[in-house]
Amino acid sequence: AQSVTQPDIHITVSEGASLELRCNYSYGATPYLFWYVQSPGQGLQLLLKYFSGDTLVQGIKGFEAEFKRSQSSFNLRKPSVHWSDAAEYFCAVSPMRGGYQKVTFGTGTKLQVIP
Amino acid sequence: ETGVTQTPRHLVMGMTNKKSLKCEQHLGHNAMYWYKQSAKKPLELMFVYNFKEQTENNSVPSRFSPECPNSSHLFLHLHTLQPEDSALYLCASSQGLAGEVGQETQYFGPGTRLLVL
Repeated sequence: AQSVTQPDIHITVSEGASLELRCNYSYGATPYLFWYVQSPGQGLQLLLKYFSGDTLVQGIKGFEAEFKRSQSSFNLRKPSVHWSDAAEYFCAVSPMRGGYQKVTFGTGTKLQVIP
Repeated sequence: ETGVTQTPRHLVMGMTNKKSLKCEQHLGHNAMYWYKQSAKKPLELMFVYNFKEQTENNSVPSRFSPECPNSSHLFLHLHTLQPEDSALYLCASSQGLAGEVGQETQYFGPGTRLLVL
């Protein structure tokens, strides 16, 4: 069965500093990979996704993620964090094959941004 | 109105009440989902509907009863809930369920925050 691990439950960064959120997955083949963001009291918003091709994926709000097959990782990065980026971030995976496939979510990483 | 909407946004109910959560998607999608989000736990998939047909019931207790009258609307009927059912209930939709690229990207509503007393 597929699984997703976000090892950092909580991260604090200073505004303007760079950010990297870690995501590792376990699956027998390359899955579809997603990052979502959830602001307090809101639903999940899709930041970016990887299906195939270039392993560096650009998303909204200045975020990017890099798929590394050898490390089974899909880490999310942003060069300069803004206070409005404070939220919870979820990594998700879905098997890459036909028919209905369940999406598995990680437990989330809560980002705090300090002045 | 665009995207996925959910009503009500907040709900407080007693254990003997009956209430319903509503979800509507304006994206022309064919698949809809109910998720439960509890503190410090991964998002839990509850139900999946594709073209109004239930595709998955993820071992959800019968006190939760979904209804999908058409591809744009999804309901979750609640009856005799327990305090541990208090959570954020999220609805999502996607174009389809197949393995084609882009078909399964899910778009979420803002959720209904449920408190069971």
